Amino acid sequence: KQEVTQIPAALSVPEGENLVLNCSFTDSAIYNLQWFRQDPGKGLTSLLLIQSSQREQTSGRLNASLDKSSGRSTLYIAASQPGDSATYLCAVRTGRTYKYIFGTGTRLKVLA
Amino acid sequence: NAGVMQNPRHLVRRRGQEARLRCSPMKGHSHVYWYRQLPEEGLKFMVYLQKENIIDESGMPKERFSAEFPKEGPSILRIQQVVRGDSAAYFCASSRTDTYEQYFGPGTRLTVT
Repeated sequence: KQEVTQIPAALSVPEGENLVLNCSFTDSAIYNLQWFRQDPGKGLTSLLLIQSSQREQTSGRLNASLDKSSGRSTLYIAASQPGDSATYLCAVRTGRTYKYIFGTGTRLKVLA
Repeated sequence: NAGVMQNPRHLVRRRGQEARLRCSPMKGHSHVYWYRQLPEEGLKFMVYLQKENIIDESGMPKERFSAEFPKEGPSILRIQQVVRGDSAAYFCASSRTDTYEQYFGPGTRLTVT
């Protein structure tokens, strides 16, 4: 059974810092992995999608990597800004069942 | 291209009533997913549908809950005889067949009084 864990659960950093969010999964037979942000009381916004054959994806200040063999993905945020404050979620689409399993999220606060 | 649309955004029901939540996927998307998010908890998968087919409903409670995605019209998540524990935010997402990248709607917040 696929389990997805995100560490840390919460993170508070000063503006301008580079930071790394972690996502671990137990079953390496994944189809893809997607990173989202969720603002309080809102829906989810897709940030990056990494297919199982890819090692990383980049969009602006965001870079996501995928290491299937170790069951890990990291989301790197460069030069953090207060507007980056949100909950960040990773979701893994399993290759066997084709449904997405979400991690519990990392709540990020970037201080001005 | 409009995003994923959900309505209503807020729904209040008394215990024992029925709740119907609607989700219109993005244009060109034929896959719909429903999730439930309880306060201070993560998203829990409920059901995955393609047009006229339920592909995976392993996250759906066995009783009172049902979902459909007809050939025409939105996907519907139906909760019969609601109880207080059904109070949550219900999100739907849609995707295309090639990438399966999910796009989420704004959610429906169900409150059972």
